[in-house]
Amino acid sequence: GAGVSQSPSNKVTEKGKDVELRCDPISGHTALYWYRQRLGQGLEFLIYFQGNSAPDKSGLPSDRFSAERTGESVSTLTIQRTQQEDSAVYLCASSRQGGGGETQYFGPGTRLLVL
Amino acid sequence: ILNVEQSPQSLHVQEGDSTNFTCSFPSSNFYALHWYRWETAKSPEALFVMTLNGDEKKKGRISATLNTKEGYSYLYIKGSQPEDSATYLCAFHTGRRALTFGSGTRLQVQP
Repeated sequence: GAGVSQSPSNKVTEKGKDVELRCDPISGHTALYWYRQRLGQGLEFLIYFQGNSAPDKSGLPSDRFSAERTGESVSTLTIQRTQQEDSAVYLCASSRQGGGGETQYFGPGTRLLVL
Repeated sequence: ILNVEQSPQSLHVQEGDSTNFTCSFPSSNFYALHWYRWETAKSPEALFVMTLNGDEKKKGRISATLNTKEGYSYLYIKGSQPEDSATYLCAFHTGRRALTFGSGTRLQVQP
């Protein structure tokens, strides 16, 4: 079956512009995660959606970052007024129910470069 | 703040060599330890999810062990092949929130 997909695969933007990243999780997966990896650093948790529960936004680095998810389907991560330090690979992952012992399935990522 | 550390940061080996990496994590509030392989330009791929102290898992030439009391896991690759070249990530889960990842071990296998 189809895996997690993300778009765009690459995005170059100018400082101060807004960007929107999209994630399509595996069908039937109720949990969806956003992570990012900045150059030379590990994967960093951003936000977690689980079914209809309120999302865990504790990893969002600033109020310029926001994310939405419609039901148990597509999610969008929006970065407003982008800064150069936002340059990173943004990864989306999904899992069946969100349990800690479940495998998370990752998309190919969006490589964001802020000039 | 959860601290997950991996060593070494990078490793260069010859084809046929066996190798191993270490992942250190907090020994308290343990729920699960995940290993992923991340090849360049591809999605991270799940290798193992380990939940019990003393767990040993194997997938082909790759195996992993887990010690939750002392807070470490080892990943072993037997007879490395060029296609094993990737970054190997471990991630710690407390059963709440999301995974906390280490910075990874970058493996390069020379033919």
